[in-house]
Amino acid sequence: AQKVTQAQTEISVVEKEDVTLDCVYETRDTTYYLFWYKQPPSGELVFLIRRNSFDEQNEISGRYSWNFQKSTSSFNFTITASQVVDSAVYFCALRHSGYALNFGKGTSLLVTP
Amino acid sequence: DADVTQTPRNRITKTGKRIMLECSQTKGHDRMYWYRQDPGLGLQLIYYSFDVKDINKGEISDGYSVSRQAQAKFSLSLESAIPNQTALYFCATTTSLAEETQYFGPGTRLLVL
Repeated sequence: AQKVTQAQTEISVVEKEDVTLDCVYETRDTTYYLFWYKQPPSGELVFLIRRNSFDEQNEISGRYSWNFQKSTSSFNFTITASQVVDSAVYFCALRHSGYALNFGKGTSLLVTP
Repeated sequence: DADVTQTPRNRITKTGKRIMLECSQTKGHDRMYWYRQDPGLGLQLIYYSFDVKDINKGEISDGYSVSRQAQAKFSLSLESAIPNQTALYFCATTTSLAEETQYFGPGTRLLVL
């Protein structure tokens, strides 16, 4: 069975603080893909990153970075110097064999000025 | 123009009514998906289709049916809507390529009274 756990339901930070969103996954597959999506208040889902299980390199894209650790089955997401526009719900997801996504319940991030 | 479109974007209906949500894509993808999102929960898979003749149930298919009219069109029907089907519905597409991302439509907000 596959499962994604985002233990942090809500996080509130002040602008310019760094924040890390946690994602822990369970799978029996040896090859798998992990995703992060952002859902701003407007409701659409915005793709942020895809990572396959063979690539454990950390990734940085501007203020965003991702730490993938197979040893702890985690794929954590860090926003550096957070901004008000980062306020959104963030979802971690694991792709299963049918290529559908198993989503975590999401972490709601509120960045206040 | 958006690659994945959903109509309607918002719908209010009454208990017992039949309603259809439509999804169209111009990405040329073969795989299409319907998800449902309830407040505080992640997205849950309703149905998915690998091609026009291949339809599969997801984890919460009861009360729903689908039709894949063409490669580019995938419709979701609620045969007799009930209030607990009030949710945000997303259509998504992808390909069979392992490195492909899943692309989401803008969502349909459905309220069943």
